[in-house]
This record gives sequence, structure tokens and C-alpha cells, in this order.
Amino acid sequence: AAGVIQSPRHLIKEKRETATLKCYPIPRHDTVYWYQQGPGQDPQFLISFYEKMQSDKGSIPDRFSAQQFSDYHSELNMSSLELGDSALYFCASSPDKAGTNTGELFFGEGSRLTVL
Amino acid sequence: GESVGLHLPTLSVQEGDNSIINCAYSNSASDYFIWYKQESGKGPQFIIDIRSNMDKRQGQRVTVLLNKTVKHLSLQIAATQPGDSAVYFCAENEMGDDKIIFGKGTRLHILP
Repeated sequence: AAGVIQSPRHLIKEKRETATLKCYPIPRHDTVYWYQQGPGQDPQFLISFYEKMQSDKGSIPDRFSAQQFSDYHSELNMSSLELGDSALYFCASSPDKAGTNTGELFFGEGSRLTVL
Repeated sequence: GESVGLHLPTLSVQEGDNSIINCAYSNSASDYFIWYKQESGKGPQFIIDIRSNMDKRQGQRVTVLLNKTVKHLSLQIAATQPGDSAVYFCAENEMGDDKIIFGKGTRLHILP
């Protein structure tokens, strides 16, 4: 069965550089979530999209932006990278409308960002 | 502030025994709770969920208990197996709110 695809799986950047992470949801899933997970930490909600519109926003820095495209894939853009941005970034998709109170989030394998 | 957290960072259980992982939440408006399992190098995987109008729900080898009075939920794993080794997160959601908020994880370690 198709799963959530994230790319790249690993990314190494220098401070102040820019990074872009991509997420391809499961087919027919129109809700996408982005989470950031630091070492030994719980996943922190960043932002979500439903039908290409931002549906909710969490602790996402102003240096970060994201969007969902017409084919439902999503990209997380991170600028002016800081050492503290080093983390695993997970994308999850769901077949349900945002806010319908369901936990069936299907997570990708994550993108590991290392900022040097 | 609103948060979901776990009491113990690590739980060691003998193979074959039952495991109980606990979670406390503070957002009284939360009405939907989920347990996720995260294996090393992988994304969280949905295990079981429960809505606030229930106090118990059973799945295959897993049971979730919800005590709204003390804002506590637990995950019980029966006959723990080596494949159950992972970090377990409880998470919560408030109706109408899109985001799923994760609590601090508990690492389940299986002893041979």
C-alpha cells in the first residue's frame, strides 16, 4: 500500500542557509500535517493543510513557511536556519477533513535535518 | 499551559508480561485521545484511540482507559512481545481543532 513519501530523508545545511522539505501524501488524502521532533522529544505540531488551504498553525517559526499544492503534495520551507532547527521533520496525511476529530494520521518516515 | 505528558520516560517489562503506560493531560476541552507507537527511525504509528464519551476501548492486545475526572489515560499491552519495543506517545485533540498534540513519550523496553 502507498505510504506518505518524504524527501529528502537526510539533509545537512549550514547556519543561515535555506532548506525545503517535500511531502507526498497517500493518494486521496487531502489533509497534510507537519511535525518537528527534536532528539528525545515529542513531535511538535507545526502546521496543517486541508484542500490546499492552511487549516491550523502551531509552533512554527516565522522563518518557516509551508504550502500545499494542487496535487496535494506539501513543502516546508525553512530559511535562516539555526542550530536548533536540527530535528526530524515528519509529514502526516489523513483522509478526513481537518478538525473532524480523528487520529488516523499516517506518518512518513521523516526528513532528518542537521544544521551545522 | 495546555499539554499532554507522560509520567515515566522509560518502562522495562518482562517479555510475556502486561505493560501499562500512563499519560496525564491538562486540557479539559480535549475530547479525543490517541496512542501512537514510534519505532526507532520511523514515524509515529496509530495504535488505538478513544473518545471522551467512553472510558475503555479494546483492540488487539491493547486496551486504552480514560479517566476524565483526573485527566488520565493509559495504554495496556497484553503479553508484551519484543516487537512492542518502541516509544509510546499519547496525543490529544479538541473537537473542531485540527491539530493532534503529542505528549512526552515513554520508551518501552522488553526484557528477555
